[in-house]
Amino acid sequence: KNEVEQSPQNLTAQEGEFITINCSYSVGISALHWLQQHPGGGIVSLFMLSSGKKKHGRLIATINIQEKHSSLHITASHPRDSAVYICAGAFLGNEKLTFGTGTRLTIIP
Amino acid sequence: DAEITQSPRHKITETGRQVTLACHQTWNHNNMFWYRQDLGHGLRLIHYSYGVQDTNKGEVSDGYSVSRSNTEDLPLTLESAASSQTSVYFCASSDNTDTQYFGPGTRLTVL
Repeated sequence: KNEVEQSPQNLTAQEGEFITINCSYSVGISALHWLQQHPGGGIVSLFMLSSGKKKHGRLIATINIQEKHSSLHITASHPRDSAVYICAGAFLGNEKLTFGTGTRLTIIP
Repeated sequence: DAEITQSPRHKITETGRQVTLACHQTWNHNNMFWYRQDLGHGLRLIHYSYGVQDTNKGEVSDGYSVSRSNTEDLPLTLESAASSQTSVYFCASSDNTDTQYFGPGTRLTVL
């Protein structure tokens, strides 16, 4: 069964802290997606990766295929980073995405 | 600018009524998806389409239907709305690179 699990479910941190959100998946994937859902509800795709690491501004996404694990890191966190972060896997042989339940991140000024 | 829109943004209806949620994208993407989002669950796929006249069931398709008569639109119909279908509905589209672009969502309440 294709499953995606995220941890932690909720994360509160002080402004400036380094943030790590974890995602593990059950079987082989063709791609792993990270998305951000703003407090207003809109969903934005942050990264799609199948190996290695990607960086965009203060956000870094990594994936370890052997360990079936991905992490999303935020450096120098800011209150505007407060959102729900969702990982999703595109499993091999299945082009549809399976989503994790999300990590609610709150950055306190 | 290309975009994906949903309408209405909010809808209140009664059980047993037929409801149609609209999704329109101007990216000319072949792939379109409908999801629902509920507390305690990740986004769950309702229906999807890989092109005109193509529709497929997702993991939670019971009570829903879609049709794809053109590239831009994938309306979602609730044939007979039930309280269990109260949810936030997201439409998304993608090209063959797999990154999905999401609409703003429709909050549906079934009383």
